[in-house]
Amino acid sequence: EVQVVESGGGLVQPGWSLTLDCVGSGFSFKTHRMGWARQAPGKGLEWVSSISNSGDRTYYADSVKGRFIISRDNSRNTLYLQIDSLRAEDTAIYYCARDFCDSGNCGWLDPWGQGTLVTVSS
Amino acid sequence: DIQMTQSPSSVSASVGDRVTITCRASQDITRWLAWYQQKPGKAPQLLIFAASNLQSGVPSRFSGSGSGTHFTLTINNLQPEDFATYYCQQAQSFPLTFGGGTKVEIK
Repeated sequence: EVQVVESGGGLVQPGWSLTLDCVGSGFSFKTHRMGWARQAPGKGLEWVSSISNSGDRTYYADSVKGRFIISRDNSRNTLYLQIDSLRAEDTAIYYCARDFCDSGNCGWLDPWGQGTLVTVSS
Repeated sequence: DIQMTQSPSSVSASVGDRVTITCRASQDITRWLAWYQQKPGKAPQLLIFAASNLQSGVPSRFSGSGSGTHFTLTINNLQPEDFATYYCQQAQSFPLTFGGGTKVEIK
């Protein structure tokens, strides 16, 4: 079964840092671009960041650029999201997703993990 | 950035109905569009990619159409398990962007 599983969320104070993990299984992790999206409570989906299969190219939403760092370890089938200087508006469920490709066309997110909740509050 | 606008934001329908959701892109994205379904408390699931390609395992009552800036998701013969929120997403370029969502509710 193709799946991704996130971990690392929790309650953190404003200004703190946090690293989220995502482990992929059931597919060739090293051949897929991977990404993170988030969903604030009661709100819609927001793409956050993506990384190429080799890790040499990264992409960020303007809202997180400079504070979030995406990385991966293909030897561990693991994707990371380091979040620095956490703000209240970063409170959300963070989802990891594989970038699904069909006939070389990519950008579709599938599957998604169950999500990990990050709550930023003092 | 490419803006994605969905309409309506919510729709009330009955089991057996046909529901159509519209997604408009702020610029031409050819067919670089996906649709997702999200049920309460669950992660989104990919329904359709490249505007009209049904993802494996998705029932055939779901269909997508459109190109350029105007796209539609149609659900035929609405089933109880289809009551959820639906999002469109463009994959033409980074940043990837989602529509605001359409909640399909039981009438």
